[in-house]
Formats: sequence, structure tokens, C-alpha cells
Amino acid sequence: DARVTQTPRHKVTEMGQEVTMRCQPILGHNTVFWYRQTMMQGLELLAYFRNRAPLDDSGMPKDRFSAEMPDATLATLKIQPSEPRDSAVYFCASGLVQKSGQNNTGELFFGEGSRLTVL
Amino acid sequence: KNEVEQSPQNLTAQEGEFITINCSYSVGISALHWLQQHPGGGIVSLFMLSSGKKKHGRLIATINIQEKHSSLHITASHPRDSAVYICAVGGSQGNLIFGKGTKLSVKP
Repeated sequence: DARVTQTPRHKVTEMGQEVTMRCQPILGHNTVFWYRQTMMQGLELLAYFRNRAPLDDSGMPKDRFSAEMPDATLATLKIQPSEPRDSAVYFCASGLVQKSGQNNTGELFFGEGSRLTVL
Repeated sequence: KNEVEQSPQNLTAQEGEFITINCSYSVGISALHWLQQHPGGGIVSLFMLSSGKKKHGRLIATINIQEKHSSLHITASHPRDSAVYICAVGGSQGNLIFGKGTKLSVKP
């Protein structure tokens, strides 16, 4: 049963600490997304990768957030230093998306999310 | 103005009722997604469509590209359908822009 796996499921940390969230996408998917969900803003795109290359990270605060895909089975989202306003649920999603110009956005599969609380 | 607008924001229905949730968008898209998020928080993709209509069980999704509008219908609603339903529109790269969601509560 293929699924997107995220760790940790829950994280409570103090302001200023480094936080790393991990995502294992579904094998064979070529696109990985990081989204953040808050009560106020709903779901927002932070960054995404195609074939491990970053395509867009304009949704991320550059000074504290970084996203990487060291290999095809792992995507990471790091916050350093963390702040209380970063408290949210962070979702990873993966999909198989066709090349640009083709009218096809692949179905996305979401992980269960990492709930981050920064005190 | 948000690029993806959903209505209603909240919806309460009696079991068995026919339910419609609407989504309007203002950007060009490759596809439109309907997602379901249960109170536990997990997000499940219900439909991805770029034209016409799709049906899965008691769920039906339609899209009108010219009018930039989509609807999600639930026939014979059931308390287990209670969830937040999220409309999201996708560009050619696969990135999504989300609506704020419609919170549905179906009473027995």
C-alpha cells in the first residue's frame, strides 16, 4: 500500500531551536511538495521539487527555512531558528506530473502531516 | 480577492440530504482537485479533473472551464461524510492553490 510517510507526526520545541521534518514520497513519483496549514491562512505552498531539483521555494521565508531532496526517497524541510509563528501542520505530498506544457497535473498523495508547535 | 473561492464556508445537513459545494477560481489552470480532510487531519484526494464530470460512489465532481467553476456533490449524505472539503487548482507544474475549505457536518 504505497503512501507518503512523514516524520515526526508531532513536534513541540522552544523558540530558537532547529526543526527538521522528513518526508518519504511514493516510489516513482517525480514531484514532491511541502505545504503548510494554519487556521488563519489555510493551506499554502512552501516549496516543491521535480526529479529532486527545486522548482519553486518562493513560499518559504528564506532566512530561516530550507528544503532539500538529498535523494529520491527523502525530502527534508528545516527551520532554523524556529519561531512561534511557525507553529502549523506541515504536509508533504508527492505525485507524478507530466512535463511542462502538457495539460496534466498529476493526482497528489498527501502524508499525514507533521504538527509543529513552537513555544 | 482570493484566487480560489469556496462556498459555503460551513454547511450543516441532515443525513440523506443532497449536498453541493461550490468552487470558483480566477487563474488559468491545468486541473482542479477536490480534497477531503477529516478531523484527524489527513488529506485525501477525491477527484482531479480538467473537464466535464467525474463520479465516485456517492460523490460527483463537475467543472466548467469557461466559467471557471466547479461543484462537488454528495448524494445521500451520511455522518461519515463530515469533513472539510478543499478545492485546489493546479498549474502546469503541478503546484496547487487552495481554497479555504468548506466544513461539512452531517447530522444523523
